[in-house]
Amino acid sequence: NAGVTQTPKFQVLKTGQSMTLQCAQDMNHNSMYWYRQDPGMGLRLIYYSASEGTTDKGEVPNGYNVSRLNKREFSLRLESAAPSQTSVYFCASSESLAAYNEQFFGPGTRLTVL
Amino acid sequence: AQSVTQPDIHITVSEGASLELRCNYSYGATPYLFWYVQSPGQGLQLLLKYFSGDTLVQGIKGFEAEFKRSQSSFNLRKPSVHWSDAAEYFCAVVSGGYQKVTFGTGTKLQVIP
Repeated sequence: NAGVTQTPKFQVLKTGQSMTLQCAQDMNHNSMYWYRQDPGMGLRLIYYSASEGTTDKGEVPNGYNVSRLNKREFSLRLESAAPSQTSVYFCASSESLAAYNEQFFGPGTRLTVL
Repeated sequence: AQSVTQPDIHITVSEGASLELRCNYSYGATPYLFWYVQSPGQGLQLLLKYFSGDTLVQGIKGFEAEFKRSQSSFNLRKPSVHWSDAAEYFCAVVSGGYQKVTFGTGTKLQVIP
């Protein structure tokens, strides 16, 4: 089992460019999440998907869109990148939204917006 | 609103010494509490979790944590630190019965020979 995989690992964009971060899990989990990690701020939830076909905003959704393509895949799109979106992005999954479920994290995508 | 405070941004310990990382939370009811570890360039990995019952919980890699309701704390401990424990540690709290997770800002652990 690969667990949670993310592509790409690194990306540099110019302001205004768009890109999609890909995430896939092979654990048959229902719920998936996108976080961003900034120095001194911990992880903040951008969007989550409780189950296939549903998505909801998290704490910092502005400037992002998501697609739950199927049960395995959950992508994050930046339509017009801004320097404030320079961050490390983590995808995670869990069996369900129940609080006791552990979240499993991918290795992250380090994004720089110039 | 729930919150998590990790007062120590950076801690340095000698290999073989004991370790305690502090975590304080703010939440009205008994929360679900977690500790995650992040090695350099990696995602987060769950060390241990507390939901109810015994307030001293054991985790992986020889870590343990104690829930103290009176102090709103969930401190992480390890009796003898190994060089491979150098990483960043995050405390997290989940409330409301579903995955609204609030992470602390993290404590970076440096281990010196």
